Amino acid sequence: EPEVTQTPSHQVTQMGQEVILRCVPISNHLYFYWYRQILGQKVEFLVSFYNNEISEKSEIFDDQFSVERPDGSNFTLKIRSTKLEDSAMYFCASRVSGVVMNTEAFFGQGTRLTVV
Amino acid sequence: RKEVEQDPGPFNVPEGATVAFNCTYSNSASQSFFWYRQDCRKEPKLLMSVYSSGNEDGRFTAQLNRASQYISLLIRDSKLSDSATYLCVVNMGILTGGGNKLTFGTGTQLKVEL
Repeated sequence: EPEVTQTPSHQVTQMGQEVILRCVPISNHLYFYWYRQILGQKVEFLVSFYNNEISEKSEIFDDQFSVERPDGSNFTLKIRSTKLEDSAMYFCASRVSGVVMNTEAFFGQGTRLTVV
Repeated sequence: RKEVEQDPGPFNVPEGATVAFNCTYSNSASQSFFWYRQDCRKEPKLLMSVYSSGNEDGRFTAQLNRASQYISLLIRDSKLSDSATYLCVVNMGILTGGGNKLTFGTGTQLKVEL
């Protein structure tokens, strides 16, 4: 069964450092997302990406965050200068369509980011 | 009012019990509805989509009431392996100006015990 893969599974970084989280969405999917989940809290939307551009972003997704699809398969989330409050599980997701109702979103296993 | 609201639980039930979870959503323009399951420190996985007519998948039944903006999930004959957090998820939909993002509730924790 096709799956969304994320690397690394766990990243520890010092405050102020840049991190890049990587994702390989399912190959025929067109809509890509990043979500985060702070420990004990709900899954929160960060950004959606379609047709090589951001289609929507949340208030969390400020200037410190950026996304890129550099080579047609990878989908990356960069945090330029990490803060302690960026510590969370980051999930990448993809959907074959973002328009057709009830289209399933498939999630990767997540990257646990710990900022120290 | 929260966009998607759920009772966090936990619901502790014996094996074989029937348990029901409820969820309310605030935006009447919401178009798609789902129940996802999340095991501890794992990714959310789709349990089932929710349709206006109601739908059933084995021991799981989902209902949607658009007038009350209410979604439910019923689990019959619960098993130990059903222990997880059940996430109510709503998608407003592009055609209603809500984009294609999924909005999650906080989740309801279920513990099935011997």
